[in-house]
Amino acid sequence: QVQLVQSGAEVKKPGASMKVSCKASGYTFSSYYMHWLRQAPGQGHEWMGIINPSGGSTSYAQKFQGRVTMTRDTSTSTVYVELSSLRSDDTAVYYCARGGSITLVRGPFDYWGQGTLVTVSS
Amino acid sequence: EIVMTQSPATLSVSPGERATLSCRASRSVSSNLAWYQQKPGQAPRLLIYGTSTRATGIPARFSGSGSGTEFSLTISSLQSEDFAVYYCQQYNNWPETFGQGTKVEIK
Repeated sequence: QVQLVQSGAEVKKPGASMKVSCKASGYTFSSYYMHWLRQAPGQGHEWMGIINPSGGSTSYAQKFQGRVTMTRDTSTSTVYVELSSLRSDDTAVYYCARGGSITLVRGPFDYWGQGTLVTVSS
Repeated sequence: EIVMTQSPATLSVSPGERATLSCRASRSVSSNLAWYQQKPGQAPRLLIYGTSTRATGIPARFSGSGSGTEFSLTISSLQSEDFAVYYCQQYNNWPETFGQGTKVEIK
């Protein structure tokens, strides 16, 4: 069965960086796009960007340009999101979610990681 | 970016009753519209994609309809496990955007 397992909760100080991992299993890793989203406490879902696990190409939401980096390791079927220059309003649950296939591109988020709480506090 | 607007913000329904949730897009998203259910402390679960196709394992009491900019999710007979927050999402254009959610609560 398809599973996305994320790394554990983190506490960071303002100005620091965070890096969250998402290990995929149960399907062909390189065949589906992976997205990263976040949900601040009591808020809606905010799309951060997308990575093609096959070639590693990325596209980021304009809001995060210059602060976010998404990478993947095909040997372990893991994707990563790194966010730098953290602020208190980056406190949120960060999710990876599987999107459309590489051939179709557009697709719903059919499988999600369990979420990783990142708290930014001095 | 496409703005998704859901209504109402909260829907109070008795078990066994029908619930209809609405979602409007600021411009056409074709049929690339999905619905998710989220319970406290859990990740969202895909219910409906392509406007009206139920995801694997989703009961038939959940149905979706609409096109272009106006969409709806209907739960025909609410069960206790259906009380949750529901989100619509368009995946027609990047960035892929979500509505702010409709909370379905017990009346």
